[in-house]
Amino acid sequence: EVKLQQSGDELVRPGASVKMSCKASGYTFTDYAMHWVKQSPGQGLEWIGTIIPLIDTTSYNQKFKGKATLTADKSSNTAYMELSRLTSEDSAVYYCARSDYLTGMDAWGQGASVTVSS
Amino acid sequence: DVVLTQTPPTSSATIGQSVSISCRSSQSLLDSDGNTYLYWYLQRPSQSPQLLIYLVSKLGSGVPNRFSGSGSGTDFTLKISGVEAEDLGVYYCVQGTHDPLTFGSGTKLEIK
Repeated sequence: EVKLQQSGDELVRPGASVKMSCKASGYTFTDYAMHWVKQSPGQGLEWIGTIIPLIDTTSYNQKFKGKATLTADKSSNTAYMELSRLTSEDSAVYYCARSDYLTGMDAWGQGASVTVSS
Repeated sequence: DVVLTQTPPTSSATIGQSVSISCRSSQSLLDSDGNTYLYWYLQRPSQSPQLLIYLVSKLGSGVPNRFSGSGSGTDFTLKISGVEAEDLGVYYCVQGTHDPLTFGSGTKLEIK
């Protein structure tokens, strides 16, 4: 069974950083890309970026360049996203989702909530 | 960025009724490789999104065949033939042809 297990919810101070994880199981980690998606409260979905673990290549939505940093650890089948200089606008649920070239994001993590508050 | 406009924003259906959701793109989604990277997702209440349709009309793994997708270029449609109670939630179209990947604003399906 394909599973993407995300790390827990976070409460962080404005100006701080947070790093969340997405541990993959049930498939070959390097056969798929990993996307990250933001869902602000009561809002729709925004694509943050993608990492291809096989070749450690990243692609970002211009809107999130400088805000998000994507990495992956092939030894532990885990993808990471770090968000920096957090503001209230970063309070949201963040999802990881795997995809291949054609079939789209066919498996999603359960989501991790980030709340930015002093 | 490519803008995906979904209509209607909200739809209400009885069990067994057929429903169609439209997704109109601000640019053609036909890629130079011949593929059209248009997807449909369902996000049930308090759940993660799940893939329904990829490449306009191909059914995702395990997705019931009451779901179907059609369209080309800039106009796409998701049809549910015989709504069931578990189909309530928000439906999103997504394009992956142009960078950045973008989502439609969503269509909320309510069950009467």
